[in-house]
Amino acid sequence: NAGVTQTPKFQVLKTGQSMTLQCAQDMNHEYMSWYRQDPGMGLRLIHYSVGAGITDQGEVPNGYNVSRSTTEDFPLRLLSAAPSQTSVYFCASSFGPVDEQFFGPGTRLTVL
Amino acid sequence: AQSVTQLDSQVPVFEEAPVELRCNYSSSVSVYLFWYVQYPNQGLQLLLKYLSGSTLVKGINGFEAEFNKSQTSFHLRKPSVHISDTAEYFCAVTFSSNTGKLIFGQGTTLQVKP
Repeated sequence: NAGVTQTPKFQVLKTGQSMTLQCAQDMNHEYMSWYRQDPGMGLRLIHYSVGAGITDQGEVPNGYNVSRSTTEDFPLRLLSAAPSQTSVYFCASSFGPVDEQFFGPGTRLTVL
Repeated sequence: AQSVTQLDSQVPVFEEAPVELRCNYSSSVSVYLFWYVQYPNQGLQLLLKYLSGSTLVKGINGFEAEFNKSQTSFHLRKPSVHISDTAEYFCAVTFSSNTGKLIFGQGTTLQVKP
């Protein structure tokens, strides 16, 4: 099993550009989440999903969109990148709502 | 609002000394508590979790944590740390048994010195 995979590992964008961060898991997990990690702020939940076709907002959803058309994939879209979105982004998945979340290796995004 | 607070941003400690990393959460009827560790330039991995039952939970690498409902705390302890324990530690809480919505604390950097 590959576990949770994320692409790309690094990305540099200009302000106003859009892009999609990819996340996939091969563990047949129903629950998936996107977090951003900033120094001194821990991980903050952006969006999460409790199954295919079902998503909801987390703590910091503004400027981000998600969809969950399959169990395996949970892409995160930045609509119009801003410097405030410079961060490390982690995707995670779990089998159940209170089970261990398995994290991907992260995407380091810089917005100029 | 539901929140998690880690009281120390950095904890320096000498090798083989004991350590406690503190975590408090906002009061709720039901909580499910986790500690994750992040080694440099890596993702997060689970150290231990509390769902129900015994309030003392043992995890990997010799770590343990105690759930204290009256104090709304879930402090992480290790009796003797190693250099390899140098990492960032995150306390996290789920306040719902349905959504998997995990709220993280700010993180504590454990610096183990020789």
